[in-house]
Amino acid sequence: SAVISQKPSRDICQRGTSLTIQCQVDSQVTMMFWYRQQPGQSLTLIATANQGSEATYESGFVIDKFPISRPNLTFSTLTVSNMSPEDSSIYLCSVGEGWKGYGYTFGSGTRLTVV
Amino acid sequence: AQKITQTQPGMFVQEKEAVTLDCTYDTSDQSYGLFWYKQPSSGEMIFLIYQGSYDEQNATEGRYSLNFQKARKSANLVISASQLGDSAMYFCAMREGYGNNRLAFGKGNQVVVIP
Repeated sequence: SAVISQKPSRDICQRGTSLTIQCQVDSQVTMMFWYRQQPGQSLTLIATANQGSEATYESGFVIDKFPISRPNLTFSTLTVSNMSPEDSSIYLCSVGEGWKGYGYTFGSGTRLTVV
Repeated sequence: AQKITQTQPGMFVQEKEAVTLDCTYDTSDQSYGLFWYKQPSSGEMIFLIYQGSYDEQNATEGRYSLNFQKARKSANLVISASQLGDSAMYFCAMREGYGNNRLAFGKGNQVVVIP
């Protein structure tokens, strides 16, 4: 299964600023995903990061707020823009490869606090 | 409509006892996959076990087993011989259909193992 390095692991940011989260995978993967987990909640899919094309966003998430890059098959970034306290969450990147469970692994998460 | 339902309140489990976590799902697809993840307080998502809709045998991975009842659309996780390190949130997730590798998550079950 792929190993994902995600950074930063945590950050405290001022409202109105932006934070870029990076995920590096140790092998080439087709599917990469970004999830948000608000405090005490489950994981919600933000978008699918597509290599070489624009990300596919889920309902309620827009590119201006969560721009995503996917320059190659091993790397992706998520930017949280113009942050407000409501953006305080854990953000996780994930890969989904193949049919069995071991292909679905997550980065260690970025715990974001907006003050 | 919610695709994954986890409704149990937080659970306290005696060390070395078994615990069952309930998960029901809703899909009209014939081909789908069911996952269980563990999320300790550190926030990382740890893959535990996978069950494919066409798998005839219930999945097992060490102390984890999945009680898959397809007709009832349930995929309960059984943790045998609980350990203190099993204290965490547990999430059930589903992937629907071919080529769609996104996961939909339930709200999670909190488990606390007591000595």
